[in-house]
Amino acid sequence: GAGVSQSPRYKVAKRGQDVALRCDPISGHVSLFWYQQALGQGPEFLTYFQNEAQLDKSGLPSDRFFAERPEGSVSTLKIQRTQQEDSAVYLCASSTDWGTTQFFGPGTRLTVL
Amino acid sequence: DQQVKQNSPSLSVQEGRISILNCDYTNSMFDYFLWYKKYPAEGPTFLISISSIKDKNEDGRFTVFLNKSAKHLSLHIVPSQPGDSAVYFCAARPLNRDDKIIFGKGTRLHILP
Repeated sequence: GAGVSQSPRYKVAKRGQDVALRCDPISGHVSLFWYQQALGQGPEFLTYFQNEAQLDKSGLPSDRFFAERPEGSVSTLKIQRTQQEDSAVYLCASSTDWGTTQFFGPGTRLTVL
Repeated sequence: DQQVKQNSPSLSVQEGRISILNCDYTNSMFDYFLWYKKYPAEGPTFLISISSIKDKNEDGRFTVFLNKSAKHLSLHIVPSQPGDSAVYFCAARPLNRDDKIIFGKGTRLHILP
């Protein structure tokens, strides 16, 4: 497809379980972003990659959150030992380069029971 | 501490009339502002943007106005159409940062028939 895709679209996890969320950016897009959107809030920045380099991870809420983009294309956001406060929609976005429009995927809705 | 504020959680407008969505910001280092539109179960879609060197940008039915001295921007939609019913996010990008976008909480726009 032509847009950003994310999988799974929905994930239910038991508290303490590890989860992995996948993002397939638009082909050729250099920059990739992860955002967390809690209910009733706007998206909040988590981390940013330029190709395979993670240039900013200042938004990751704890060391339980880890993101990677090993080949500069697909990215995975991993959350270890999930907590109820991790319940949110996780959005991935990509752009052609620094300063250009970010295109968002549909998000993964994570529910931690 | 919200750097981008959308103080109206929702707004209802008659079809055919003008919709005005407002946004305030606190960080004088923001140099680029964006509006995103979001339908349920979809990711945000870029709508229109404005650089801090301008005070107006127009694209079809959508116009964004920027008042730097007041740290205020607004999105005007005219005429409003049923398909405009969505959540609108105001967002801003700081000067010389890693492309991080700071979002407001969003305003839900209802276009009434």
